[in-house]
Amino acid sequence: KAGVTQTPRYLIKTRGQQVTLSCSPISGHRSVSWYQQTPGQGLQFLFEYFSETQRNKGNFPGRFSGRQFSNSRSEMNVSTLELGDSALYLCASSLMESSYNSPLHFGNGTRLTVT
Amino acid sequence: AQTVTQSQPEMSVQEAETVTLSCTYDTSENNYYLFWYKQPPSRQMILVIRQEAYKQQNATENRFSVNFQKAAKSFSLKISDSQLGDTAMYFCAFMKPLDFGNEKLTFGTGTRLTIIP
Repeated sequence: KAGVTQTPRYLIKTRGQQVTLSCSPISGHRSVSWYQQTPGQGLQFLFEYFSETQRNKGNFPGRFSGRQFSNSRSEMNVSTLELGDSALYLCASSLMESSYNSPLHFGNGTRLTVT
Repeated sequence: AQTVTQSQPEMSVQEAETVTLSCTYDTSENNYYLFWYKQPPSRQMILVIRQEAYKQQNATENRFSVNFQKAAKSFSLKISDSQLGDTAMYFCAFMKPLDFGNEKLTFGTGTRLTIIP
């Protein structure tokens, strides 16, 4: 069974631009979460979707948004990019509603560099 | 808000030896979950082991075991018979069930573990 797939693996953007990252969860998984990983702030929760509904959101500005499609694939969008948005963005999926009983499976991430 | 602290930024150990990674956390919750994740150079986060706070028995997964001290809010990871493939960043993580299905992980800053041949 294929794992969590994130595309693209690397992305370079300029300040002020916007970017869309994609995540395809493991087949059958309905919950998708997004995390931002930076050397300074570590791993921080962005948001979580289940059955196309955002159930939980971290403390990020409104420039960060996401959505989930009916096939459980998810996208996150960052508008008006800032240098501080440079990070590894990790997507994770889980089978059931509770990610304890069905642990998170992470993708390899998208490395975003903002210049 | 919950916080997770990993006080060892880097550690190294000889192959086949045992190593213990430390983690402390701060919470006022009584029911929660704790995890150790591993992130090798491939960048993919891999679940190593998990523990439910209401279970007194320490979790064990093959060569990996934890020492969970609820009163001290400590959750250390012991790796026995360490192997070269254990080289990775290790993250301790906390999860408080907000309500069913709305959990999120709070991670520590990580410990970079290097296994020396």
